Amino acid sequence: KAGVTQTPRYLIKTRGQQVTLSCSPISGHRSVSWYQQTPGQGLQFLFEYFSETQRNKGNFPGRFSGRQFSNSRSEMNVSTLELGDSALYLCASSPLAGANTGELFFGEGSRLTVL
Amino acid sequence: AQRVTQPEKLLSVFKGAPVELKCNYSYSGSPELFWYVQYSRQRLQLLLRHISRESIKGFTADLNKGETSFHLKKPFAQEEDSAMYYCALSGAGANSKLTFGKGITLSVRP
Repeated sequence: KAGVTQTPRYLIKTRGQQVTLSCSPISGHRSVSWYQQTPGQGLQFLFEYFSETQRNKGNFPGRFSGRQFSNSRSEMNVSTLELGDSALYLCASSPLAGANTGELFFGEGSRLTVL
Repeated sequence: AQRVTQPEKLLSVFKGAPVELKCNYSYSGSPELFWYVQYSRQRLQLLLRHISRESIKGFTADLNKGETSFHLKKPFAQEEDSAMYYCALSGAGANSKLTFGKGITLSVRP
């Protein structure tokens, strides 16, 4: 069974640009969550999608958005990039909604560098 | 609000020594507690969760609601245990997201 796949793995952007990251969950998993990992703040929850609906959102500005498609694939978008958005963005999938329902399966992440 | 505290950043022990990775949490309801692990050049993965009450790779963790702790223990460390360990908490409903501690690096020396 293929794991969670994230693309691109690495990307470099400049301030003010926007970026779209993609996540393909494990087959059959309907929940996709996104986390931001930085050296200073650690792992922080961005949002969770289940059956194409955002069911939970973390404390991030509106520049961070996401969506989920009918095949459960998810994208997240960051607009008007700032230097502080440089981070590893992790996607995680699970069969059921909510992190309390069981194991989250993580991807390898997309490393974003903002110059 | 939910919060997870891992007070130490690094623990270095010799092979065969006991290991205890500390985790304290703050949450007003009934939390689900997890330990996730990241080995070198691998993705983050679940080690164990308190509700399953299992021992995984010799590790155990007991939820102590009185002390709001969920420490991870192993009686005899192995070199392959060297990794980054994260304690995480999830609530229910609108709080059913993982809140992670800052993580601790465990280094097991031969």
